[in-house]
Amino acid sequence: DGGITQSPKYLFRKEGQNVTLSCEQNLNHDAMYWYRQDPGQGLRLIYYSQIVNDFQKGDIAEGYSVSREKKESFPLTVTSAQKNPTAFYLCASNNRDYTGELFFGEGSRLTVL
Amino acid sequence: QKEVEQNSGPLSVPEGAIASLNCTYSDRGSQSFFWYRQYSGKSPELIMFIYSNGDKEDGRFTAQLNKASQYVSLLIRDSQPSDSATYLCAVNLGTDSWGKLQFGAGTQVVVTP
Repeated sequence: DGGITQSPKYLFRKEGQNVTLSCEQNLNHDAMYWYRQDPGQGLRLIYYSQIVNDFQKGDIAEGYSVSREKKESFPLTVTSAQKNPTAFYLCASNNRDYTGELFFGEGSRLTVL
Repeated sequence: QKEVEQNSGPLSVPEGAIASLNCTYSDRGSQSFFWYRQYSGKSPELIMFIYSNGDKEDGRFTAQLNKASQYVSLLIRDSQPSDSATYLCAVNLGTDSWGKLQFGAGTQVVVTP
């Protein structure tokens, strides 16, 4: 079955540590996205990539970094510069079509201890 | 900042009744509009998308779009307890930013038996 796989599902981090969240898709989609969701809030765009080896900052990119070396993979690193990293992180993908529908992974919940 | 606004709720709906959810958006260039359902702790799943003015029906769900007034709504007929979730409105910001969706904060729906 095609889909988006995120790992780990739950992650605990000590302050000052960098952590990397994995996102892999086998939908052959061109574009991939990282969103952050805080309790009671909508999704906010962190980074997105529309093509391999290229990515763009979203609305809240500070303290995060990404890479897009393969079409299938778009890992997100939460760096120690991110002051409030505890959140639910969602990876998504889509293709350039008239709808722009996003397909989501199951999410990764990061907690800073 | 392009905005998508929703009432946060909770919207309490008796089982079997109609739930009516509203969403307004600020960018007149918006092309496509989406309703996602999100259960607590889970990733969003697409309920419907609409891109033309008027109504679009799919089972118990009807999406309504009025571009002149910049609002999109979702009706849930014959509400069931399984419809209890947060409903996210999302807007595709146009062809020069294809695939990027701007999300509202979501409306929590509670269907009471």
